[in-house]
Amino acid sequence: DVKVTQSSRYLVKRTGEKVFLECVQDMDHENMFWYRQDPGLGLRLIYFSYDVKMKEKGDIPEGYSVSREKKERFSLILESASTNQTSMYLCASSPYQDTQYFGPGTRLTVL
Amino acid sequence: QKEVEQDPGPLSVPEGAIVSLNCTYSNSAFQYFMWYRQYSRKGPELLMYTYSSGNKEDGRFTAQVDKSSKYISLFIRDSQPSDSATYLCAMSAGTDKLIFGTGTRLQVFP
Repeated sequence: DVKVTQSSRYLVKRTGEKVFLECVQDMDHENMFWYRQDPGLGLRLIYFSYDVKMKEKGDIPEGYSVSREKKERFSLILESASTNQTSMYLCASSPYQDTQYFGPGTRLTVL
Repeated sequence: QKEVEQDPGPLSVPEGAIVSLNCTYSNSAFQYFMWYRQYSRKGPELLMYTYSSGNKEDGRFTAQVDKSSKYISLFIRDSQPSDSATYLCAMSAGTDKLIFGTGTRLQVFP
């Protein structure tokens, strides 16, 4: 079974803090993705990565950055958290041009 | 107009009913079609995966793709309370990016 894990299920941070969300997959997948999910807006792609040290902007990259130093690990960074970044964050991985497998999600609250 | 449209529901049905969930899309280049199930406060899990047109069956679930109408469906037979979740359709043109619907919330009551 594909296993995608995320570092935290629930996280509470203060405005202006730097926030790290980490994602690890154990299936040697090339591609990894970060989404946020908000009611009524569905899943929105923040960033994705085709390979180690490669990254591509998704639909809503503003306020976020990513890091992929190892194939199995993809980190999402909020440089200076703001209240409008309160959301459910979902990481996914996939083999080349194939379906995506999701982690359990991190519910981030920014106060 | 969104590339993928999905009725948000909620759809409320009695246990044992046949459920039909649908998505329409506008991009004729889509070839890969998926349905995900997402329980409350959990990540989406892959339910069905279909390439191009036709039907695919897996237990109580049937996925149907009609490319001529740009319409996909998921049928759930003999629905159970444990099927209560949000169902997301997703599709791809063969690139690495998936385009998701916003999800339909389904409630199956005993």
